[in-house]
Amino acid sequence: DAGITQSPRYKITETGRQVTLMCHQTWSHSYMFWYRQDLGHGLRLIYYSAAADITDKGEVPDGYVVSRSKTENFPLTLESATRSQTSVYFCASSEIGTYSNQPQHFGDGTRLSIL
Amino acid sequence: EDKVVQSPLSLVVHEGDTVTLNCSYEVTNFRSLLWYKQEKKAPTFLFMLTSSGIEKKSGRLSSILDKKELSSILNITATQTGDSAIYLCAVETSGSRLTFGEGTQLTVNP
Repeated sequence: DAGITQSPRYKITETGRQVTLMCHQTWSHSYMFWYRQDLGHGLRLIYYSAAADITDKGEVPDGYVVSRSKTENFPLTLESATRSQTSVYFCASSEIGTYSNQPQHFGDGTRLSIL
Repeated sequence: EDKVVQSPLSLVVHEGDTVTLNCSYEVTNFRSLLWYKQEKKAPTFLFMLTSSGIEKKSGRLSSILDKKELSSILNITATQTGDSAIYLCAVETSGSRLTFGEGTQLTVNP
């Protein structure tokens, strides 16, 4: 089915470990985004990408790394996980519009717990 | 720093009531304002507003943007229990970035 899928849906890991969250979209959208959602903060942008091999920092990029070698994939890596990175992570994608982009469409999220 | 503020943060109503959710913003390079509904998983898109004063409508939901007041409202008439969700307001700025508000938790009781 077309859409945007995230994996894993749930992940528990320990502080200091590296963990990668996967995001795959089948729409061939140009833009892809990573957000984290925490109580009291809403959704905050971590990183985004306008096209393959083009990435840029969002509001809260520290401790995260992204890559985009193919249009359809946008993995997010926590190089050395910390407890403060416990959160729900959402991936989104959108296509370029004339004045503003088309609305972003979101995956179902990854619930990450760091012990 | 771009900022989006939603009010109220939570709201409890009875089925059949009409509710109004508010969103105000302070951003540079405004491009559009979006409303999303979030139940248990992914936020789902409701409306995108770019022009002031033009109401967008979908069934019992409607929304309007006021660029002079830097604000938007989302109205839900004849609420149903299925409307219970978090309603998110977001503003798109240059670079297609979205800045979200905290959301309004709406609970509709039977």
